[in-house]
Amino acid sequence: EPEVTQTPSHQVTQMGQEVILRCVPISNHLYFYWYRQILGQKVEFLVSFYNNEISEKSEIFDDQFSVERPDGSNFTLKIRSTKLEDSAMYFCASRDPRYQETQYFGPGTRLLVL
Amino acid sequence: GENVEQHPSTLSVQEGDSAVIKCTYSDSASNYFPWYKQELGKGPQLIIDIRSNVGEKKDQRIAVTLNKTAKHFSLHITETQPEDSAVYFCAASIGANQAGTALIFGKGTTLSVSS
Repeated sequence: EPEVTQTPSHQVTQMGQEVILRCVPISNHLYFYWYRQILGQKVEFLVSFYNNEISEKSEIFDDQFSVERPDGSNFTLKIRSTKLEDSAMYFCASRDPRYQETQYFGPGTRLLVL
Repeated sequence: GENVEQHPSTLSVQEGDSAVIKCTYSDSASNYFPWYKQELGKGPQLIIDIRSNVGEKKDQRIAVTLNKTAKHFSLHITETQPEDSAVYFCAASIGANQAGTALIFGKGTTLSVSS
């Protein structure tokens, strides 16, 4: 069964550094999402992406964040200058337009900012 | 914007018992309600979902009910097994025909099934 994959599984970085989290959505899916989950808390929406542009973003997704689909398979989340409070699990999700709302999540990248 | 409340935060049952998790939502425009199961160290996995034109949906031991008037929906797991132990999240979105369709999650319920 096709799956969303994410790399790396874990990332440790120093405050102020840039990080890029990578996702490979399920083939033929057209809608892509990033969510984050701070330890012990609920999953929070960051941004959605369709047709090479942002469709919707939350207030968490400020100017420090950006997303890109650099080629036909990858979908990336960049944090320009990491803060301690960016430490969280970051999940990528994708959606098949034929099945409307169903979003499939990847295994996540655990980001730790020191 | 949408707000989803989920109860209880923890639930302990004996193997074979039923478990019920309840969620309420605030935005009457929401029309899609998935439930996700998250095991330790893994991403959320969709277990069942329901759309607002349906009042109940069942898949083997799992069922979801939706009351649009009261704006609440519930997950029912019957004949629980130890492998059902996980964190369960409900979510809501305004769903179909919108490219964005952010999922708004509840805070999660930690279900423990003891044998």
